[in-house]
Amino acid sequence: AQKVTQAQTEISVVEKEDVTLDCVYETRDTTYYLFWYKQPPSGELVFLIRRNSFDEQNEISGRYSWNFQKSTSSFNFTITASQVVDSAVYFCALSEARGGGADGLTFGKGTHLIIQP
Amino acid sequence: EPEVTQTPSHQVTQMGQEVILRCVPISNHLYFYWYRQILGQKVEFLVSFYNNEISEKSEIFDDQFSVERPDGSNFTLKIRSTKLEDSAMYFCASTPWGQGYSPLHFGNGTRLTVT
Repeated sequence: AQKVTQAQTEISVVEKEDVTLDCVYETRDTTYYLFWYKQPPSGELVFLIRRNSFDEQNEISGRYSWNFQKSTSSFNFTITASQVVDSAVYFCALSEARGGGADGLTFGKGTHLIIQP
Repeated sequence: EPEVTQTPSHQVTQMGQEVILRCVPISNHLYFYWYRQILGQKVEFLVSFYNNEISEKSEIFDDQFSVERPDGSNFTLKIRSTKLEDSAMYFCASTPWGQGYSPLHFGNGTRLTVT
């Protein structure tokens, strides 16, 4: 069975600090997909990134970066120079490939990130 | 940019009543999903739908739940006899190729309150 663990329930930092959100996953499949979603206070779910299990290259998008390490089953998310607008709940999610694309995503419990001015 | 549209944004219903949540997925997408999020908790998969039938469903999706694509644009979730514990935000999502190959596009959700 697949599982996603986000051990940090809540993180509070001061604006401009860097912050890393941890995500550890479990799966028996060799082919799987990892995602990060952002849920701002308004409640919608905003896609941030998708990674497949064969691509361990780290990715950077502006102030956001992701570190995927299969050896430790982790897919961590770092925000550099955080801003108040980054305040949200961030979810890590996993999808296995067996269902040909129709598999449900397994979400972690989310990390509530608070950026204080 | 095309969006997934959900109506209503908030639905209040009495326990035991039937409720239908509506979604209009992005027009060229082929895979459709329902997820729910109980307040303050994680997002949970309910069901996926492809080629006019259910592809996968979770343990949450019991006989009280059903989905339908009544026409070429709408995708509905019906809860036959609502319970208090069905109170949650329900998210519809769609994707063109299946979520392993392309990310889910979520709607803004319908907040269901069962009293």
